[in-house]
Amino acid sequence: AQSVSQHNHHVILSEAASLELGCNYSYGGTVNLFWYVQYPGQHLQLLLKYFSGDPLVKGIKGFEAEFIKSKFSFNLRKPSVQWSDTAEYFCPLYNTDKLIFGTGTRLQVFP
Amino acid sequence: GAVVSQHPSRVICKSGTSVKIECRSLDFQATTMFWYRQFPKQSLMLMATSNEGSKATYEQGVEKDKFLINHASLTLSTLTVTSAHPEDSSFYICSASEVSGIWGDTQYFGPGTRLTVL
Repeated sequence: AQSVSQHNHHVILSEAASLELGCNYSYGGTVNLFWYVQYPGQHLQLLLKYFSGDPLVKGIKGFEAEFIKSKFSFNLRKPSVQWSDTAEYFCPLYNTDKLIFGTGTRLQVFP
Repeated sequence: GAVVSQHPSRVICKSGTSVKIECRSLDFQATTMFWYRQFPKQSLMLMATSNEGSKATYEQGVEKDKFLINHASLTLSTLTVTSAHPEDSSFYICSASEVSGIWGDTQYFGPGTRLTVL
C-alpha cells in the first residue's frame, strides 16, 4: 500500500536558518507529489507540486522541493526561513484519485 | 483563484442530533470533492470522495450511514453527521479538484469546520 512518511515531526529554527523537511513515500509507480502548508488557524494551501519533468520544483514563498526517484524522496527546502513560515507542512502523495497524507511536520521559527 | 469555502466554521450540537456541513467551490467547477477528518496534532484522514451526481466512495472504516455525503452540483457538496456522538467531535475539512486541465489532480482545501458534540 502507498504511504507517506515525514520523519521530522517537529522542527524548531531561528529566523534566517536554512530549512529542509523530509518526505519519503512508498509506491513503485508514477507519483504525483505535493507540499501543502497549514498556517495556524488557516486552511491548507498548496506550496508546490510535482507531476513530471524537472525534478526540482519551485513553489511559492521561496520554497522548493526535489524529487529523487531512487530515494523515494521529495524533500522541501528553503534557504532562509522567516517567522511567518511557522506552520504545519504536509507532503501528500496523489494516487488513484486521492491524496495520501503523512503525519505532517510542525515548523516553529523563532525571531 | 481556486477558493473553497465551508459553512459553518464552528458548530456545537447535542448528542443524538444531526449536523450538516457545506463545502463550496467558489470560482471553479469541481467534479470531485473530498472530505477529511483531522484530529488534533495529527494528519488528515480521508473519509470519502464524492463525484457530482453519483454516490460517494467511502474509505474503509468510515460509516456511510453515519456520514452522509451529497454532491448535488459542481460547486456544492454536503456532509451530514447523523446522530452525532462526542466521539464524532473533530475538525472536518473538505477539498475540491478542478474539472479539467493538467493540474486537475490538485486539490484545493476549505478552511474546515470544527464540530463539537456535547
